[in-house]
Amino acid sequence: EVQLVESGGGLVQPGRSLRLSCAASGFTFDDYAMYWIRQAPGKGLEWVAGITWNSDYIAYADSVKGRFTISRDNAKNSLYLQMNSLRAEDTALYYCAKGLYSGNHQEFDYWGQGILVTVSP
Amino acid sequence: SSELTQDPAVSVALGQTVRITCQGDSLRNYYASWYQQKPGQAPVLVIYGKNNRPSGIPDRFSGSSSGYTASLTIRGAQAEDDADYYCNSRDSSGKYVIFGGGTKLTVL
Repeated sequence: EVQLVESGGGLVQPGRSLRLSCAASGFTFDDYAMYWIRQAPGKGLEWVAGITWNSDYIAYADSVKGRFTISRDNAKNSLYLQMNSLRAEDTALYYCAKGLYSGNHQEFDYWGQGILVTVSP
Repeated sequence: SSELTQDPAVSVALGQTVRITCQGDSLRNYYASWYQQKPGQAPVLVIYGKNNRPSGIPDRFSGSSSGYTASLTIRGAQAEDDADYYCNSRDSSGKYVIFGGGTKLTVL
């Protein structure tokens, strides 16, 4: 059974940093691209970042480029999102999602339950 | 980057057929995927590619595309299909993933 479990969220002040982690199990982690997608309270889905199976291609939404860094450790079956210079508009439920393929695509076939990040003074 | 446009809300009578649409320039070049999200739950992929259903998705769900519009069709809608539906694809440059704003489907 595929499982994606996010951790590291919480309440943080504007301008500070937070690092999210996603522990993956139930599939061969280094065969697939991985993604972070967020959902602000009561709003729609927003793709944040994606990373291919071997980290050779990484992409970010314009809204987070230069502030967030996605990475993965295939030996630990883990995905990360380093979030710096956080803003109020980054407040959202952050989902870790598995790609359907190894490369950079837009199909996400498994999602974690999400971790809440709240940016507030 | 380009956008994907969805109707905010659609309703369907129990057992009837409903089509949810997604419009965007990039859909001429890229397929849309469709996700179902129920309150308090993570999204679930229901359609991807030309018209592919992941394992476990009922065959009453189907996808199609024509020009700038992708569609998700639910034939014989059930009470459990009451949910938000999101399309996604790539933007016109192909570099970024974009989502539609979502459609709230109400099964009457």
